[in-house]
Amino acid sequence: AQTVTQSQPEMSVQEAETVTLSCTYDTSESDYYLFWYKQPPSRQMILVIRQEAYKQQNATENRFSVNFQKAAKSFSLKISDSQLGDAAMYFCAYEGGSYIPTFGRGTSLIVHP
Amino acid sequence: GAVVSQHPSRVICKSGTSVKIECRSLDFQATTMFWYRQFPKQSLMLMATSNEGSKATYEQGVEKDKFLINHASLTLSTLTVTSAHPEDSSFYICSANIPGQNYNEQFFGPGTRLTVL
Repeated sequence: AQTVTQSQPEMSVQEAETVTLSCTYDTSESDYYLFWYKQPPSRQMILVIRQEAYKQQNATENRFSVNFQKAAKSFSLKISDSQLGDAAMYFCAYEGGSYIPTFGRGTSLIVHP
Repeated sequence: GAVVSQHPSRVICKSGTSVKIECRSLDFQATTMFWYRQFPKQSLMLMATSNEGSKATYEQGVEKDKFLINHASLTLSTLTVTSAHPEDSSFYICSANIPGQNYNEQFFGPGTRLTVL
């Protein structure tokens, strides 16, 4: 079974600074998808960024980028120019051939003004 | 992006009663929907995979007779918590993805907070 590990229960960052959230996963599959989802205080989950495992190029979405290391099974999220609205729980997720998502335990991001 | 709705957003019920939660895909058809349970400051725990026109697939440890799932149409899945007890109080979330998409982004409902007194 696949597992997703987020080793940072909580992270803090100053507004306008950069923060990196860690995620590692374990799988025997070669083809899969990785996601970062954000859950703000409203509890509505939304997609931040996704990465297809067959793509070597790291995904970027405006201030959000990932560092995907397939051999190391690592998928970290970098948030640049952090904003107060970035404060939320962030979940790393894996989806492979079963098309059933597996989530990490989440990292709570605190943004200080 | 695609929209998934849930109803009700919050419900309070007495112990022993049943509660139905609806999950609808508003602008796409979903052959598969997922139901999760989330405790405060914890991750999403997958409860079951809801399959349109067939029986749901439950995760290990989830009672099928307690958490009834029906996926009668391509846009609606329902989760019924039968004979609810205070320990069933939680935040329930559904999600769906768009069939045929070349990536499997999940679109989430806004969640339902269930409180059993």
